[in-house]
Amino acid sequence: GAGVSQTPSNKVTEKGKYVELRCDPISGHTALYWYRQSLGQGPEFLIYFQGTGAADDSGLPNDRFFAVRPEGSVSTLKIQRTERGDSAVYLCASSLIGAGPGELFFGEGSRLTVL
Amino acid sequence: GQQVMQIPQYQHVQEGEDFTTYCNSSTTLSNIQWYKQRPGGHPVFLIQLVKSGEVKKQKRLTFQFGEAKKNSSLHITATQTTDVGTYFCAGRRNMRFGAGTRLTVKP
Repeated sequence: GAGVSQTPSNKVTEKGKYVELRCDPISGHTALYWYRQSLGQGPEFLIYFQGTGAADDSGLPNDRFFAVRPEGSVSTLKIQRTERGDSAVYLCASSLIGAGPGELFFGEGSRLTVL
Repeated sequence: GQQVMQIPQYQHVQEGEDFTTYCNSSTTLSNIQWYKQRPGGHPVFLIQLVKSGEVKKQKRLTFQFGEAKKNSSLHITATQTTDVGTYFCAGRRNMRFGAGTRLTVKP
């Protein structure tokens, strides 16, 4: 598709379970960002990939959170031992660096609910 | 790290009134971007400002970048119900978003 695709759109899990959220960026976009957004809050930065490498992972809240982008395209955000406080909408965005303003194109998000 | 603060947090206006939101940074920004998020939607890019003192207009929206490149503002003239949403600013270098200003418009 033409836009950023995120799956699943909704995920309900139990506390302590493992979760994977997938992001398929716009073709050719080398930069990929993960954010999480709680109700009424701004997007909270988690991690930024440039190509395959994590250029900035300082936003990951703790070691239960991990993200990969092995081939420089699709990225997976992995959350271990989920906690109720992890409930939020996880947003992925991609950007084309070096051409134009480099604006972020966001996906529709994955809504995670931890019971 | 670089953080941007936005005020006000909420703004409720009567349709036809003007609206302004402010974005402030403790450090100099290389450039700044503005996004709009409609209720239930995802953030959508509005504009990027790069130069000191830059002013850009998009129909009823006017964006300004401060001379010191530490603050920015978004002004909407004669708000309409379609302007409803949350407006965010973000420093382009590390793409940290402010908390946003939520605008509601009473018809």
